[in-house]
Amino acid sequence: AQKVTQAQTEISVVEKEDVTLDCVYETRDTTYYLFWYKQPPSGELVFLIRRNSFDEQNEISGRYSWNFQKSTSSFNFTITASQVVDSAVYFCALSEPFTGTASKLTFGTGTRLQVTL
Amino acid sequence: NAGVTQTPKFQVLKTGQSMTLQCAQDMNHEYMSWYRQDPGMGLRLIHYSVGAGITDQGEVPNGYNVSRSTTEDFPLRLLSAAPSQTSVYFCASSTGTGGTDTQYFGPGTRLTVL
Repeated sequence: AQKVTQAQTEISVVEKEDVTLDCVYETRDTTYYLFWYKQPPSGELVFLIRRNSFDEQNEISGRYSWNFQKSTSSFNFTITASQVVDSAVYFCALSEPFTGTASKLTFGTGTRLQVTL
Repeated sequence: NAGVTQTPKFQVLKTGQSMTLQCAQDMNHEYMSWYRQDPGMGLRLIHYSVGAGITDQGEVPNGYNVSRSTTEDFPLRLLSAAPSQTSVYFCASSTGTGGTDTQYFGPGTRLTVL
C-alpha cells in the first residue's frame, strides 16, 4: 500500500532563514505522481507542484525548490529566505496512475511551518 | 471560472441529524472526490467519482453517501450524523480519472456534530 511520511510535525524559523520540509514515500508502482500542497491559516488547499516518477530533475520556482530522489524515495521541499507569508501547513501527497480502478491521493500528515520576524 | 465551490462553509449538527454538503465545479472535470481532514491525520479519501453516474468508496466511506447525477455536482450526504464525523471536509476535482492530473480543492466545510 502507498504511504507518505512527513516526519517533521512542526518547524519554526526566523524570517530569511532557509527551511527544508521532508517527504518520504512508499509505493510498489514504478509510475506515480508526487504533489505538494500548501494550507495557509485561512484553510484552503493550494496546489504547489506535481512531479512524475520519470522526471527526477529538481525544480525551482522563485524561492521554492523541490528535490526528488527516487533512490531514497524522497521529495523534499525547500523554501529559501523564508517569509512570514510562508507560514502554513504543507502537505506532501502521492498518486498512482489508473490501474483498473481510479487512483487516489495519499497524503502525509503535514508539516506546520511557522515563520517569525 | 469559480473553480470548486463548497457550501456551507460552517455547519453545526446534533447527533442523528442528516445533511448534505454541496460541491460544484465549473471546469468540466470528470474526476471529483471528497476528503476529510482531521488533526494529525492529513486528508483521507471518503468517496470519489470518475464521471456522471459512477461513484466508488475511498478509505473512510462509512456513514457517508454520494451520487453524481451531473458532471458539475458531487454532493456528500450524512444520513445520521455522529460526533466522529466532526471534521473539515474538502471536495476536489481534476480533469483525468487516472491519478495523473492535479486535483484542485474547494475551500472546505467545517462540520461540528454535537
